Amino acid sequence: ETGVTQSPTHLIKTRGQQVTLRCSSQSGHNTVSWYQQALGQGPQFIFQYYREEENGRGNFPPRFSGLQFPNYSSELNVNALELDDSALYLCASSLGRQNTDTQYFGPGTRLTVL
Amino acid sequence: DAKTTQPNSMESNEEEPVHLPCNHSTISGTDYIHWYRQLPSQGPEYVIHGLTSNVNNRMASLAIAEDRKSSTLILHRATLRDAAVYYCILRARYNQGGKLIFGQGTELSVKP
Repeated sequence: ETGVTQSPTHLIKTRGQQVTLRCSSQSGHNTVSWYQQALGQGPQFIFQYYREEENGRGNFPPRFSGLQFPNYSSELNVNALELDDSALYLCASSLGRQNTDTQYFGPGTRLTVL
Repeated sequence: DAKTTQPNSMESNEEEPVHLPCNHSTISGTDYIHWYRQLPSQGPEYVIHGLTSNVNNRMASLAIAEDRKSSTLILHRATLRDAAVYYCILRARYNQGGKLIFGQGTELSVKP
């Protein structure tokens, strides 16, 4: 069984650019959640997708957007990058969207905005 | 969302037990107590969760106070691989949404 994978591992962008991060869910999981983790902080919830529909969003501006595909893989898009967007972006998949469902995290994508 | 309070850091010696405390005085009757940990350069991983009774699994034990206002994650024999940030998280039993709300966590260092 393959775990959660994310690509790319590292990425460097400049302010104002756009970025797309990708996540492949664990087999059989229909729910994907995205988190942003700044250096030295705990992860912050960005949004969650359940069966291709957004199912909750944290306190992030609309320039953070996402997609979930029929195979339940997912993308996180960030437009108009700002310096503060530099962080580790984590994707987590789960069997469902209930609060009792364990989330399985990928290794993350390290984004640096210059 | 109910808040948790954890010490910023703790130290342990290898092969000794470790007790990681978490206070959650505003916990509601239907909140589960979850623990995740994040090893260096990795995403968080699930450790254990419980509601009212103490719980054991292959990784750890969770001791929950009778009034549920605090809990303790117990690693019975710490290894160097257990050095990580440990997060105590409350999750409402019935609300959908499924997000995890992470605090600062406790950074555990293990000395050989």
